[in-house]
Amino acid sequence: AQSVSQHNHHVILSEAASLELGCNYSYGGTVNLFWYVQYPGQHLQLLLKYFSGDPLVKGIKGFEAEFIKSKFSFNLRKPSVQWSDTAEYFCAVHLMDTGRRALTFGSGTRLQVQP
Amino acid sequence: DTGVSQNPRHKITKRGQNVTFRCDPISEHNRLYWYRQTLGQGPEFLTYFQNEAQLEKSRLLSDRFSAERPKGSFSTLEIQRTEQGDSAMYLCASSFPNADPSGNTIYFGEGSWLTVV
Repeated sequence: AQSVSQHNHHVILSEAASLELGCNYSYGGTVNLFWYVQYPGQHLQLLLKYFSGDPLVKGIKGFEAEFIKSKFSFNLRKPSVQWSDTAEYFCAVHLMDTGRRALTFGSGTRLQVQP
Repeated sequence: DTGVSQNPRHKITKRGQNVTFRCDPISEHNRLYWYRQTLGQGPEFLTYFQNEAQLEKSRLLSDRFSAERPKGSFSTLEIQRTEQGDSAMYLCASSFPNADPSGNTIYFGEGSWLTVV
């Protein structure tokens, strides 16, 4: 079965540190890729998405992600985190060739930024 | 707020009772999705509607679960004879196909928490 792996379950950083959250998926076909963020007490919000073209995509709040097809990865990065980035981050994949509309989510990474 | 609206936000029910959740998608979004999320996990897909047609159902959607979208606008998710394992956050989401190339950017509501005691 297709899956999405987020290996970092809990990350603790100090403000201004750089962030990289890993996301790997297991599917050999065409994919759309997403990162969603869930701030404490709030709903899931789209951070950024990749459909095609430039594999380096930029999202809101200074986040970016790079799609590396050969590695089946879509890692999320931010050069300098802020306390307000404390949240849970979910990677999601849409399998384009299957005709299905479902997104498959990873189990999430909880980011804690210490002031 | 014109986002996806869900109610009730919280529901505590006794095992064996039926519960129903309602979702109002973003206006003009003709695609509607239900997901379930348990603690420490990402959302898991349950079902998908395009307009009033239910086009996709997950194996997670057992016979006790039924979802409807009778007029292609709001949707309901009913769970019959609830079990403790049904305790979770039930998320509704919607999308509009012309908004992006794949029509697959979905927008989530705040969710409905279900606790079965």
